[in-house]
Formats: sequence, structure tokens, C-alpha cells
Amino acid sequence: DADVTQTPRNRITKTGKRIMLECSQTKGHDRMYWYRQDPGLGLRLIYYSFDVKDINKGEISDGYSVSRQAQAKFSLSLESAIPNQTALYFCATSDPSRGLDYGYTFGSGTRLTVV
Amino acid sequence: GDSVTQMEGPVTLSEEAFLTINCTYTATGYPSLFWYVQYPGEGLQLLLKATKADDKGSNKGFEATYRKETTSFHLEKGSVQVSDSAVYFCALSHQGAQKLVFGQGTRLTINP
Repeated sequence: DADVTQTPRNRITKTGKRIMLECSQTKGHDRMYWYRQDPGLGLRLIYYSFDVKDINKGEISDGYSVSRQAQAKFSLSLESAIPNQTALYFCATSDPSRGLDYGYTFGSGTRLTVV
Repeated sequence: GDSVTQMEGPVTLSEEAFLTINCTYTATGYPSLFWYVQYPGEGLQLLLKATKADDKGSNKGFEATYRKETTSFHLEKGSVQVSDSAVYFCALSHQGAQKLVFGQGTRLTINP
């Protein structure tokens, strides 16, 4: 099994629908992140969580919400999906004890299309 | 704020060619610098890193040197292979922040 698992891998949804992307990890890391990847823009941080009781907005949090249900689970929700949220979404974890590379581990991504 | 700029892609090379992917950054202080690689259908993997000026990161034949005077961290490989076809991301992080800031990515295609 992968260290960081994202579900679903692919999803097509309609404008205005609520959708949840899920992420679970077996790394035992406290820190989890949601990034969005768009062609030509790289990865941009949506939300991050440094422990179960800590949630922080990233640079593009508008239109998104998150829930940290447990150390191992971090979900991203789109309350009312719109077409410009069509993108590839990545979940990641990190471990501060690993030093300056933080041991980032990425999931394989969820490709979301909003029609 | 911090930012990373990479050369625009896509880049297409023949097998055994020399590769350079340029990366420059804007940041306060002394960030750590990284190159990540994304193979088709997969998540990002750390390729190499450098944590202070003049450090050279290397892995799988790839190298990059942290140049503070030019705020650059260019990725190089002397002889590329078809299996190197992927998207490459330059990134930085400050120790206190623990958040990666990515460049826009460069798609590399190697033809046999």
C-alpha cells in the first residue's frame, strides 16, 4: 500500500455540486498539506495542518474547506464546485524531525474535472 | 513573498543529450532548495536538495548547485535517458515555515 493514499483518483462533477477529496497516510506524520496543480502554475498550497487541532489557510484557500479527522486523515471539500477548480490535487505529509527536507511524501493525486 | 521561477517548457531532447533546466528564486534569508520529479501518473518525489550556499545536491546523475550570488539552482544531467521523461519542479522552503513553494514545473521529453 502507498504511504499516502488519495481517493478518488479521478472525478468528474457538475458545477454547484459538493465534493470531498480524501487523503490518508501511514507515515505517522503530524503535518499534512493539500496542493493544487495547474499547467504552467506549478503547485499551489490550499490548506495545511500541523496537527489534528491545527488548520491553516494556504495561498489559494477560497472556495475550499478541510477537515482533519485524525492524524492519518485530511479531507478537502469543495462546497460548490466551479469549472476553474478543475485541476490535479495532491495531498502531502511531512516530518519535521527529518531536517530541512522535512521528508515530504506526496500522494498520487486526484484529477478533478468540474463541468 | 518567496517565489520560484523555472524555465518554460516543454523541453524535448534526444537520448544522451546534456540537460539544463534553469531555476531562480526570490526569498529572504537562506532557504533550502529542492528539485522534485513527477513521473506520469505519479506524485512528486524528491530528486535532490541543497540546504546552504555552494552546496551541490546530486542523485541519479542529476546535479544542482545552490548559488546564492545569482539566486539560482539549475538542474543538470550530462546524458539523459528516455526514462528521465517527466515533469521537474524546483522548490524552496524556510526551516521555520515548513511549507514548500514551487516553481511552475518543466515538462521534459527524451526521444530515443
